[in-house]
Amino acid sequence: ETGVTQSPTHLIKTRGQQVTLRCSSQSGHNTVSWYQQALGQGPQFIFQYYREEENGRGNFPPRFSGLQFPNYSSELNVNALELDDSALYLCASSLAGYDTEAFFGQGTRLTVV
Amino acid sequence: ELKVEQNPLFLSMQEGKNYTIYCNYSTTSDRLYWYRQDPGKSLESLFVLLSNGAVKQEGRLMASLDTKARLSTLHITAAVHDLSATYFCAVDPGSLTASKLTFGTGTRLQVTL
Repeated sequence: ETGVTQSPTHLIKTRGQQVTLRCSSQSGHNTVSWYQQALGQGPQFIFQYYREEENGRGNFPPRFSGLQFPNYSSELNVNALELDDSALYLCASSLAGYDTEAFFGQGTRLTVV
Repeated sequence: ELKVEQNPLFLSMQEGKNYTIYCNYSTTSDRLYWYRQDPGKSLESLFVLLSNGAVKQEGRLMASLDTKARLSTLHITAAVHDLSATYFCAVDPGSLTASKLTFGTGTRLQVTL
């Protein structure tokens, strides 16, 4: 157990809908990153939040957005869902610093039909 | 753009045999991570390599990092069936906050009896 929890664990949505995924970071961690992992591929970096501000973004469109709250938990929002958004969404928490490590939650499996 | 390549993509090996998985990356970095992923599960941290020449061992797995060659290896000694999983290397380009990881394509390891 990493102490990083995500909810829900599974979700089915219809194309065009909106979805919110949630992540509680490990105690003491101030950074949360989100990744998308399509079936059979490696995780792809979506964006990162550090001290409630977006701190870097991967090659994802603006309909992928996020928030980080004062307790460092985070949300990932995806608007106008597309079939290709079906994936495992992983969040990772870490403590800013050089000698650090990211710990991953169990993931949310999103299916868009 | 940072690119991370792993080979082989798929590895079938017999119990008791040794093998090495290779991870090459395209830009300078001295932070490299190895993760294990079981089917349908999240990422389990195996090794954190933070300097040139770093070598870490845990059980039958040993990881090393050569930052000059931009190469990391994951060596498996006397494989057992429980090691069957997908293994990912991931590179951090050196951000303050870590966890902005670029993952390799993954190596699916199947250990047969």
